[in-house]
Amino acid sequence: NAGVTQTPKFQVLKTGQSMTLQCAQDMNHEYMSWYRQDPGMGLRLIHYSVGAGITDQGEVPNGYNVSRSTTEDFPLRLLSAAPSQTSVYFCASSYSRQPFYGYTFGSGTRLTVV
Amino acid sequence: AQKITQTQPGMFVQEKEAVTLDCTYDTSDPSYGLFWYKQPSSGEMIFLIYQGSYDQQNATEGRYSLNFQKARKSANLVISASQLGDSAMYFCAMREVGNQFYFGTGTSLTVIP
Repeated sequence: NAGVTQTPKFQVLKTGQSMTLQCAQDMNHEYMSWYRQDPGMGLRLIHYSVGAGITDQGEVPNGYNVSRSTTEDFPLRLLSAAPSQTSVYFCASSYSRQPFYGYTFGSGTRLTVV
Repeated sequence: AQKITQTQPGMFVQEKEAVTLDCTYDTSDPSYGLFWYKQPSSGEMIFLIYQGSYDQQNATEGRYSLNFQKARKSANLVISASQLGDSAMYFCAMREVGNQFYFGTGTSLTVIP
């Protein structure tokens, strides 16, 4: 099993550009989410999905869009990149919403906005 | 209020010694899960150990154990016989029923040879 696959691993954007971070899982996980990690702030939830066609906002959703057309894929779109969006982004999935199930994380995307 | 609190930004331990990383949590739900993840310098997030709120015994996974004190709402990670490869960032996390994960801000552990 590939687990959770994130692409790209590194990206440099200019301010104002848009892009999509890809996330795919092959474990038939119901729950998927996107986090950003900044020094000293831990992981902050951007958006999450509890199943295909269902998404919701997390703690820091501004400037980001998501969709979940299939169980496997959960892309994150940056609409108009800003330097404040320079961060490491993680996609994570879980079998269900029950508290007994942990996350499987992707390998992360290091994004720099100049 | 913070759901997960890790009060130790950085910790040092001598190789082969044991170390405890602190984690306290805040919830009023009776059913929840507690998790620890390791993030080495390469950046990936690695699951270490899980403790359920109804589990009577402390969880153990190899050299990792979770010191679960429910009344005090603490879930400390104990690493025995530290190795150089244990140098990493460690995150405590909690999940309530039907909810997303809550992560602490992490503890940076450095193992000294």
